[in-house]
Amino acid sequence: QVQLQQWGAGLCKPSETLSLTCAVYGGSFSGYYWSWIRQSPGKGLEWIGEINYSGSTSYNPSLKSRVTISVDTSKNQFSLKVSSVTAADTAVYYCARARGAVARWFDPWGQGTLVTVSS
Amino acid sequence: EIVLTQSPGTLSLSPGERATLSCRASQSVTSSYLAWYQQKPGQAPRLLIYGASNRATGIPDRFSGSGSGTDFTLTISRLEPEDFAVYYCQQYGSSPPTFGQGTKVQIK
Repeated sequence: QVQLQQWGAGLCKPSETLSLTCAVYGGSFSGYYWSWIRQSPGKGLEWIGEINYSGSTSYNPSLKSRVTISVDTSKNQFSLKVSSVTAADTAVYYCARARGAVARWFDPWGQGTLVTVSS
Repeated sequence: EIVLTQSPGTLSLSPGERATLSCRASQSVTSSYLAWYQQKPGQAPRLLIYGASNRATGIPDRFSGSGSGTDFTLTISRLEPEDFAVYYCQQYGSSPPTFGQGTKVQIK
C-alpha cells in the first residue's frame, strides 16, 4: 500500500523560496503522476501542479510563474519550490498521488505541512 | 477554469439519518470526471468517490455518488459517528483540477 511522507520548512520569510519534499513508499512510482495541493482558509483547496517519473510537469496557471516541481527517481521522491512567497502563500501543503487521463484525482495524500510566511 | 459550488455549507443531522450533499459545476464536467473527498480535523482529505459514482478502495457502501453534466450528489445513506466531517467535490475533466468549497456535516 502506497504511503506518502512529506517534510520541509514550516516557516518562510516574505520574498524567499518555500521548499518541500515528498517521499513515496510502497507501490509503483513510475506509473503515476505526483501532485502538490495546498489548503488555506481563504482559497480552500488549490491544485499547484504535478510531475511524472520522466519529469514531465504541469502547473496551475495561477502559480506557474513561481512554482517548480522536480523529481528524484533514485529516491522515489518529488519536490516543490515556490519562489517570492507572500502571506497569501501561507497554507497547509499536501503531496498526493494523481490519477486520471485529462486532469487528475488524488489518492492517497501525504500528512500535510503547515507553511507560514512571516517575517 | 471550472468553478464548483457545494451546498449546503453546513448540514446538521443525527446519526442514522441520510445525508445528501450537492456539487454544481459552472460548466459541464467531461465524462463525469468528478471526485468526492472526506476531511476530518487535522487530517488530509481522503478519497471517497471517483468518476462520479465509483467508490474508492475500502469505502463503505453507505457512501454513494451520482450525477452528470453540471450536477452531482454525494449521499450517505445512514450516518455513522465517524462520518461527521467536511466533504469536498473535485472535478478533473479539465485542467486545472478544481475543488468545491466544502460541506460540513455536523451532529445535530
